[in-house]
Amino acid sequence: DQQVKQNSPSLSVQEGRISILNCDYTNSMFDYFLWYKKYPAEGPTFLISISSIKDKNEDGRFTVFLNKSAKHLSLHIVPSQPGDSAVYFCAASFTSGTYKYIFGTGTRLKVLA
Amino acid sequence: SQTIHQWPATLVQPVGSPLSLECTVEGTSNPNLYWYRQAAGRGLQLLFYSVGIGQISSEVPQNLSASRPQDRQFILSSKKLLLSDSGFYLCAWRHSGRASDNEQFFGPGTRLTVL
Repeated sequence: DQQVKQNSPSLSVQEGRISILNCDYTNSMFDYFLWYKKYPAEGPTFLISISSIKDKNEDGRFTVFLNKSAKHLSLHIVPSQPGDSAVYFCAASFTSGTYKYIFGTGTRLKVLA
Repeated sequence: SQTIHQWPATLVQPVGSPLSLECTVEGTSNPNLYWYRQAAGRGLQLLFYSVGIGQISSEVPQNLSASRPQDRQFILSSKKLLLSDSGFYLCAWRHSGRASDNEQFFGPGTRLTVL
């Protein structure tokens, strides 16, 4: 049972354009969501997060949108840069107890110069 | 500042051999600790987590075990490796007791190949 899904395994975007990565979840009890970026043979690095009490969070070129009714979140990267090429994982968690993450399967973003 | 170390970086082991992967965190105390595995073409699967010394919770039944002999040390082990244990193993930590700090910080990972 995949509680967090990233249905697009890959995405290609032209440099300077917007990249939109999507993530869907099934458990309405999740109350905190995160995006991580991962390069090959390295550990994921934290990118941006959002609490379920918000519907948008911005940090520079990165914006995360949360639609609780649709159980959907998205990551927007504007403008996209070649250095953004990586695998992006969304994760859902609970802000209590062990703070376990449930990760999606990842989306490989390729930004074309 | 806090840092997290994992070793070895890469490992090639025969089927049936034992395994020991180590993870240590510096610069913090009483962290929550996590072991994940990324199998080829798959996402990140949580294997074990620990909220304190000697406290281990397993997320999935498997051939692996974990231990936390010291506050900032987390060890992943197996008595007999299977081919299906191949993957990229990641250790992570987060500040415990700080509800506002929900981010987990990952180590560099260990690439395990079982032949």
